[in-house]
Amino acid sequence: GAVVSQHPSWVICKSGTSVKIECRSLDFQATTMFWYRQFPKQSLMLMATSNEGSKATYEQGVEKDKFLINHASLTLSTLTVTSAHPEDSSFYICSATTDTQYFGPGTRLTVL
Amino acid sequence: AQSVTQLDSHVSVSEGTPVLLRCNYSSSYSPSLFWYVQHPNKGLQLLLKYTSAATLVKGINGFEAEFKKSETSFHLTKPSAHMSDAAEYFCVVSVIVGTDKLIFGTGTRLQVFP
Repeated sequence: GAVVSQHPSWVICKSGTSVKIECRSLDFQATTMFWYRQFPKQSLMLMATSNEGSKATYEQGVEKDKFLINHASLTLSTLTVTSAHPEDSSFYICSATTDTQYFGPGTRLTVL
Repeated sequence: AQSVTQLDSHVSVSEGTPVLLRCNYSSSYSPSLFWYVQHPNKGLQLLLKYTSAATLVKGINGFEAEFKKSETSFHLTKPSAHMSDAAEYFCVVSVIVGTDKLIFGTGTRLQVFP
């Protein structure tokens, strides 16, 4: 099946710094990728829809200036958490679509 | 608006016994419905999906789900649980026809005892 990777798998950073998370579709091209956030023992919440070559579409309540999304190619989307704060600590998951949505393994972000 | 409700946050079964994970949906149109499984430190994996074809959907690893419009349900079942089935299971509904936006249920943690 289709494989989606994320890098890094976990990251710890200091408050105020920025962190970039990469999402790659390894064996297929994805015009659309999605970014989700998952709090401990909770469900996935859609943050934004990322379309190759255009601006991302953010869900209500998600700060687009804080969570910068770039989808520069058909196999790569990046999420940058700018000026991270402890409340941004979470599990971030991306997905890419063909006829089905395939999910990456997630990135655990801890902001100290 | 579309939504899904997973009725049980935790389900515990003994190995070899049947599994039932319950899901009810709300949708203003005929929805696409999915079950995903999340194992620790692994990505979400699609178990099965319903897209208005056969109401009984067979998935991977012996799981199946039945779409019941009259009951607005899409319960996940497996005849015999295996230890490797222990994981978090999510019932998911598509947001809008023709898009890939998904809404996730709150999840059901399945424990399997030997």
